Amino acid sequence: EPEVTQTPSHQVTQMGQEVILRCVPISNHLYFYWYRQILGQKVEFLVSFYNNEISEKSEIFDDQFSVERPDGSNFTLKIRSTKLEDSAMYFCASSELAGGDTQYFGPGTRLTVL
Amino acid sequence: QQQVKQSPQSLIVQKGGISIINCAYENTAFDYFPWYQQFPGKGPALLIAIRPDVSEKKEGRFTISFNKSAKQFSLHIMDSQPGDSATYFCAASNNAGNMLTFGGGTRLMVKP
Repeated sequence: EPEVTQTPSHQVTQMGQEVILRCVPISNHLYFYWYRQILGQKVEFLVSFYNNEISEKSEIFDDQFSVERPDGSNFTLKIRSTKLEDSAMYFCASSELAGGDTQYFGPGTRLTVL
Repeated sequence: QQQVKQSPQSLIVQKGGISIINCAYENTAFDYFPWYQQFPGKGPALLIAIRPDVSEKKEGRFTISFNKSAKQFSLHIMDSQPGDSATYFCAASNNAGNMLTFGGGTRLMVKP
C-alpha cells in the first residue's frame, strides 16, 4: 500500500541553525501539507502546497518557514533559524484531491532544538 | 471561529464496552469531519469521516454521529478492544480549503 515517507525520523539541532525536513508524498497525489504536533498537544496545520505554490498557510508558518518541491518526488520544509519552541513532531501529508479528500500522514520527524 | 473542541481528554473503557468521544465546532463553513487514530510514534491515520448531508456513518465497529444544528459530532467505538487503545483526533475542514483543524485529542485506553 502506498505511504508517505519522511526523513529523518529524528533531527537534533542547535538553536539558530537551519533544518530541512524531507517528505516523499504518495506518488499520484497532488496536494501536500505540513503539520506539527508539540509533545502532548494537538496537531496544528502549517501549510498546504499545490501546483508548486502555497495554497494556504497558518499563522505559525512565518518567514522562518519555507516549503519546496525540488523534484518530482520530494517535498521539503525548511526552518531557517530554529528556535527552542520549534521542537515538535512534524508531519507531512498528501492527498489526491482538495476540499475534504483524505489526507494521508507520514510517520513524522521529531525535531529537537537545543 | 476555527476551533474544534474535543472531549474527554482521556477515556478508560473495559474491553467490550462502548467508547464515546465528542467534538464541537463553531465555523459553519466546515463541511468535512474526519476522525484520525494515532498510535505512539506514528502519524495520524484516517479512521472514518462524515459530511453534513448525513447524520450518521458506520464502518464496522466505528460510528460517527453528526448533529448539524448543534454543531457537534461524535465517534462511537462499539465492542472496544485493547488494540483500539490510541489517541483519537477529530478534525474539520471546509470544501474551499485543505487545512484540517484538529481537536485536542482523546487518549483512549481499553482495559482487557
